[in-house]
Amino acid sequence: QKEVEQDPGPLSVPEGAIVSLNCTYSNSAFQYFMWYRQYSRKGPELLMYTYSSGNKEDGRFTAQVDKSSKYISLFIRDSQPSDSATYLCAMSARENFNKFYFGSGTKLNVKP
Amino acid sequence: NAGVTQTPKFQVLKTGQSMTLQCAQDMNHEYMSWYRQDPGMGLRLIHYSVGAGITDQGEVPNGYNVSRSTTEDFPLRLLSAAPSQTSVYFCASSGETTGYSPLHFGNGTRLTVT
Repeated sequence: QKEVEQDPGPLSVPEGAIVSLNCTYSNSAFQYFMWYRQYSRKGPELLMYTYSSGNKEDGRFTAQVDKSSKYISLFIRDSQPSDSATYLCAMSARENFNKFYFGSGTKLNVKP
Repeated sequence: NAGVTQTPKFQVLKTGQSMTLQCAQDMNHEYMSWYRQDPGMGLRLIHYSVGAGITDQGEVPNGYNVSRSTTEDFPLRLLSAAPSQTSVYFCASSGETTGYSPLHFGNGTRLTVT
């Protein structure tokens, strides 16, 4: 079983839709949770990160962590064609914070 | 402001050939790492370093060597390329070795081994 599971998609939505992206994980020691966005033929770029449980909002993006369910989500409001990319979740544990475990990524396509 | 720079962008090798993938960062980051990205597998850690002279293995180290002689550079060597090493390779760095800090990635090297 993989440490981190993520639906590969693709997910296709109309412009302006609310997008929900999710990951599940198996290691209860994970404390740091990150979302990266990766455009085609580019490296991943950090979107948001959270520590432990709860919500974090940054503009149109909201990250949620539910440690009891081992489930994290990224919501994108008012989605734009420029949001079309692959979204990767990543996480690490406090005792080995530099060892990141990545999901396989969800490909999102926002149609104009 | 270059960040993390990887060279070359593309490379084709024959089975058994060796090569070095270059990675340089200009952010004075102590932590540097190499990942490979394969379809459906996500990013997997190959090797990492927490400072000059210090390296350690990640999840998939076999067939790869690293060294870290300076803070800025962290090359990845393929000793005898195999088709299973066909992948996209990413170098990443972060500013912390004693606490959490997000990774900054380069734009990758696309390697094909025939």
